[in-house]
Amino acid sequence: DVKVTQSSRYLVKRTGEKVFLECVQDMDHENMFWYRQDPGLGLRLIYFSYDVKMKEKGDIPEGYSVSREKKERFSLILESASTNQTSMYLCASSLLGLTYNEQFFGPGTRLTVL
Amino acid sequence: KQEVTQIPAALSVPEGENLVLNCSFTDSAIYNLQWFRQDPGKGLTSLLLIQSSQREQTSGRLNASLDKSSGRSTLYIAASQPGDSATYLCAVQLISSGSARQLTFGSGTQLTVLP
Repeated sequence: DVKVTQSSRYLVKRTGEKVFLECVQDMDHENMFWYRQDPGLGLRLIYFSYDVKMKEKGDIPEGYSVSREKKERFSLILESASTNQTSMYLCASSLLGLTYNEQFFGPGTRLTVL
Repeated sequence: KQEVTQIPAALSVPEGENLVLNCSFTDSAIYNLQWFRQDPGKGLTSLLLIQSSQREQTSGRLNASLDKSSGRSTLYIAASQPGDSATYLCAVQLISSGSARQLTFGSGTQLTVLP
């Protein structure tokens, strides 16, 4: 059974803190993604990675960075958390295919920045 | 820029009804289209993926169709049940998105099936 796990379901942090969100997949997928989901704005891509140590900016990378040291793990880093980064964060993974590369999502992390 | 639209934004039906959810996209140069289900406060569950060369996919009571030339997809749910209540999202993978194939999402249809 395919599985994408995220380190926390709920997280509360203070403004200015450094925040790490971890994502692990057990499907040997090349691609990994970080999205955020906000009411009225839908899902928006923050960063993605198609290989170890490779990363590409998505639509809204400002204020975020990522790390992929191992194939199965993709971390999202908020260098200095701000209240406008309060959101639901979703991680996903997929194969590096051409047409059949179904994305599988984790359960999400609800981050609140006070 | 690719835009994905889902209509209606919300739908309420009595149990047992058959229903259709709609998804439209502006750029027909896609690799595939994926339908997801999201329960409140949870992640996304993949329901069906239709490759650009296919016209439909079926899984149990779900049937998804794709008309790439007109930029439309439908998700048909047969004999709806209260457990089908959720938000349904469609997403497309653009050919222009490169090797990673990131998704562009619609805003979703919130479905409520009344017992």
